[in-house]
Amino acid sequence: EVQLVESGGGLVQPGGSLRLSCAASGFTFSSYSMNWVRQAPGKGLEWVSYISTTGTIYYADSVKGRFTISRDNAKNSLYLQMNSLRDEDTAVYHCARVRRYYYDSSAYFRALDYWGQGTLVTVSS
Amino acid sequence: EIVMTQSPVTLSVSPGERATLSCRASQSISSNLAWYQQKLGQAPRLLIYGASTRATGVPARFSGSGSETEFTLTISSLQSEDFAVYYCQQYSDWPPLTFGGGTKVEI
Repeated sequence: EVQLVESGGGLVQPGGSLRLSCAASGFTFSSYSMNWVRQAPGKGLEWVSYISTTGTIYYADSVKGRFTISRDNAKNSLYLQMNSLRDEDTAVYHCARVRRYYYDSSAYFRALDYWGQGTLVTVSS
Repeated sequence: EIVMTQSPVTLSVSPGERATLSCRASQSISSNLAWYQQKLGQAPRLLIYGASTRATGVPARFSGSGSETEFTLTISSLQSEDFAVYYCQQYSDWPPLTFGGGTKVEI
């Protein structure tokens, strides 16, 4: 059974730092790209960051320069280092697996097929 | 950045009725669209990928259609467990990955 379990959230003051972790099990972690997606209280889903199997990394403009995504395939874990935190970073942070659905020999659709329950990050003084 | 717009924001339906949710992309995304269901306090669940293909284990009452810029998620006969928030998401031109604002399906 595929499982993604986030941890590391908590209350932090503006300007502070946190490191989130996502422990993966039930699949070959090194074979999948991963994302962080967040959800502010009562709001919709917002993509945060992506890391591929080969280390390609992307960030949302809202977190670029402040957040760093990384992965440790030996530990089956995904991380998000969050620095210079702001009030607007308050959210539940989910990790999500990227699945490729091939409809041709080389063409595929992507979707986020498994998500963790999330860890709450609260930025407040 | 591709903007995804969902309508309506809230859809009030009765159990057994049909629900039709819309999602519009600000530019063509071909069929690179997914739909997710999120119940209160839970993680999102993948329902549809490639605009029209049900993910594993998703009941047949859920169907997706559309291409380019206009997409629809239809729930043919609402069950009590279907009352939730539904999000569309494009995976065509990224980063960034973008989601719609969601449609809440309520009783």
